[in-house]
Amino acid sequence: GNSVTQMEGPVTLSEEAFLTINCTYTATGYPSLFWYVQYPGEGLQLLLKATKADDKGSNKGFEATYRKETTSFHLEKGSVQVSDSAVYFCALSPPNDYKLSFGAGTTVTVRA
Amino acid sequence: EPEVTQTPSHQVTQMGQEVILRCVPISNHLYFYWYRQILGQKVEFLVSFYNNEISEKSEIFDDQFSVERPDGSNFTLKIRSTKLEDSAMYFCASRGDLNQPQHFGDGTRLSIL
Repeated sequence: GNSVTQMEGPVTLSEEAFLTINCTYTATGYPSLFWYVQYPGEGLQLLLKATKADDKGSNKGFEATYRKETTSFHLEKGSVQVSDSAVYFCALSPPNDYKLSFGAGTTVTVRA
Repeated sequence: EPEVTQTPSHQVTQMGQEVILRCVPISNHLYFYWYRQILGQKVEFLVSFYNNEISEKSEIFDDQFSVERPDGSNFTLKIRSTKLEDSAMYFCASRGDLNQPQHFGDGTRLSIL
């Protein structure tokens, strides 16, 4: 079946530190891949996406590259801010199955 | 920017009671979804809805659950006889077409006593 495995948290960083959250997936075919973010007290917001191999999604300084050979979609940001404190979810949507399958979520706390 | 809105933000209900969670999807969207997240667990797909019918449902979505689009704007999830294990955050999502990502609401926290 389809599944997403995310790096377990929580992750605590200082401001301006480098952030990586690992995400690997199992799916049939070539799924679309997503990162969603949930800020405290809010819903899930799409952060970035990639729909085919070697695509790079980017938004708000975050990046993730669709790596077919390693079935990965790791999220990175070069210099985090306190406002990046949130829960980050990796998700996939297979080509013939349009629901989302989510990872467990990674809680990130950035300290000033 | 248009958004998906969900009401109420928090619902407390006695076990065995019926509950209806409400969602107003983005107005020109055609595909609608419900997901849930039990505390400390993954976000899980419940059901998708298109063209006034369920297009897919998970094994979680048993006979106690139903969805409805009663008018042109609302999309509801009904749990007929709630159980303690139904306590979770319920998220509604919508999308315009299958090439667009899903947009989520802020969720309804359902607490069953």
